[in-house]
Amino acid sequence: AQSVTQLGSHVSVSEGALVLLRCNYSSSVPPYLFWYVQYPNQGLQLLLKYTTGATLVKGINGFEAEFKKSETSFHLTKPSAHMSDAAEYFCAVTGPRGYNKLIFGAGTRLAVHP
Amino acid sequence: ETGVTQSPTHLIKTRGQQVTLRCSSQSGHNTVSWYQQALGQGPQFIFQYYREEENGRGNFPPRFSGLQFPNYSSELNVNALELDDSALYLCASTSTGGNSPLHFGNGTRLTVT
Repeated sequence: AQSVTQLGSHVSVSEGALVLLRCNYSSSVPPYLFWYVQYPNQGLQLLLKYTTGATLVKGINGFEAEFKKSETSFHLTKPSAHMSDAAEYFCAVTGPRGYNKLIFGAGTRLAVHP
Repeated sequence: ETGVTQSPTHLIKTRGQQVTLRCSSQSGHNTVSWYQQALGQGPQFIFQYYREEENGRGNFPPRFSGLQFPNYSSELNVNALELDDSALYLCASTSTGGNSPLHFGNGTRLTVT
């Protein structure tokens, strides 16, 4: 069975500091991996995705993630946090029923303080 | 380009009642998925519709059912509502083939009292 674990339900950083949100996955097949962001009272917006090819994936708003098969990880990073990055972040993996049937982690709430 | 739209935005129902949630897919998308997001949790896959037929289902009981229409819009129906059905229901659309990602609507917040 496929699953996603996001370490840390809450992460707090200072504006300008490095953002690191952790995601580990379990999958019996080569995974497709995603990071989504959710702002209050909104749906999910795709930040970036890994399917095949280059393991370092760049997304929107300066975020990037690296697929590490040996560590079964797909951590999300951003070199310098901005106040507007405060939101809930979800890591997801394709489920056993197909590419767009995603299994999500429980989410990490990112707070950015001045 | 029109994104995924959902209606209503908020809904309050009583335990035992039935509810219908609606979703219009993004222009050019022919596949619709529904997810349930309970408070403080990640979304959980309910089911997906393609060409008006269910194309995969998550671990949800039969009282959760859906429809997809020829214009690719979709409905989620929930019968015999339970308190635990209180959640944000998210609709997402995509086009089949390739690596097209899901595009989510803003959801319908359902409260069951």
